[in-house]
Amino acid sequence: QQQVKQSPQSLIVQKGGISIINCAYENTAFDYFPWYQQFPGKGPALLIAIRPDVSEKKEGRFTISFNKSAKQFSLHIMDSQPGDSATYFCAASEGVTGGGNKLTFGTGTQLKVEL
Amino acid sequence: DAGITQSPRHKVTETGTPVTLRCHQTENHRYMYWYRQDPGHGLRLIHYSYGVKDTDKGEVSDGYSVSRSKTEDFLLTLESATSSQTSVYFCAAKDRQNTEAFFGQGTRLTVV
Repeated sequence: QQQVKQSPQSLIVQKGGISIINCAYENTAFDYFPWYQQFPGKGPALLIAIRPDVSEKKEGRFTISFNKSAKQFSLHIMDSQPGDSATYFCAASEGVTGGGNKLTFGTGTQLKVEL
Repeated sequence: DAGITQSPRHKVTETGTPVTLRCHQTENHRYMYWYRQDPGHGLRLIHYSYGVKDTDKGEVSDGYSVSRSKTEDFLLTLESATSSQTSVYFCAAKDRQNTEAFFGQGTRLTVV
């Protein structure tokens, strides 16, 4: 059972447009929701993260919107640029005493920003 | 890469042979993880460690074992490699719960 579902699988956006990637989760104990960005041949790197006590977090052109009641969160990339072309992963983890604080990832979205 | 080094970066091995992948970190992170990345599956957790000699299974642990005898090293072993273990393997590490996890550059493993 996939605990974090991500859509779409791929996305093509024109330069300057808005890219939107959605994720939904099942485990209500998740309390940390990061987004990772991965370029070809590289490891994923943290882009932005949110905790469930806020509904939105913005860092530059990147915004996470979080809907706790719907168990959904999304990444918005404003003014998308060709350099944003990468694979994006949503993730979630649960802070548990004595546990491994494992990150559960979505299946990823390949974003291509065209000129 | 925040001080996380994976070795080797590429490896081709034959079915049935044992393979060990190494993850070395220089930042004294407490938690370490091994993931595999496959098209359509994203990143799936194989094993993880929450301290020296403290390890546990992830969601796709069958056919894999790990060891962590020092804080800085986390080894992933395929006891008898199979073609289904052809994948890109990533190591990750972090200091505290619900904080940024830092990833290595990955190891591309091909089992023929």
